[in-house]
Amino acid sequence: NAGVTQTPKFQVLKTGQSMTLQCAQDMNHEYMSWYRQDPGMGLRLIHYSVGAGITDQGEVPNGYNVSRSTTEDFPLRLLSAAPSQTSVYFCASRGGGAGNQPQHFGDGTRLSIL
Amino acid sequence: AQKITQTQPGMFVQEKEAVTLDCTYDTSDQSYGLFWYKQPSSGEMIFLIYQGSYDEQNATEGRYSLNFQKARKSANLVISASQLGDSAMYFCAMRVWAAGSYQLTFGKGTKLSVIP
Repeated sequence: NAGVTQTPKFQVLKTGQSMTLQCAQDMNHEYMSWYRQDPGMGLRLIHYSVGAGITDQGEVPNGYNVSRSTTEDFPLRLLSAAPSQTSVYFCASRGGGAGNQPQHFGDGTRLSIL
Repeated sequence: AQKITQTQPGMFVQEKEAVTLDCTYDTSDQSYGLFWYKQPSSGEMIFLIYQGSYDEQNATEGRYSLNFQKARKSANLVISASQLGDSAMYFCAMRVWAAGSYQLTFGKGTKLSVIP
């Protein structure tokens, strides 16, 4: 069972470079989200989507773009990488219906910006 | 806005003993859910247990139970019979059911270390 798949697992970028973190889920989930995890900060929501074609900002959206052209995929784009974006990024998904359904997380992408 | 507070940055527990990890929350919404996740050193986020605001009984899942005190706005995780594999970061999170609110708000986590 694949669940939520994130690629790459590790990435090093130079300041100013752009890149896309990939996220795919095979559970036909409506809701998908991107979080970043920094030491001592817990997980903070970057962007989320409630379905194909619908996205919205979370708590820390600056410097990131998202799109949701299909139910399965929810890529996160860094437009011009900055050292402050060094973090671990998690993609998550959950199904619709009852709100007690937990989010399923990918294994994370460790991103370093030099 | 919602807020989750985990006041214990780190905890130690002897193997086979029980341990309680604290979580308090703040929300003005009446309908919400509380989740606990485990993050081992390998980094993945593992869902442990869920408690709904209208649930009359405390949630239990194997060795995990949730001590839910709604009036005090606390949702403490109890791990019974601790094992070495329980050493990890533990995060409390909340979702409210208000329109347009679909996502989780996380606390900063508690690092649990189980001592043999």
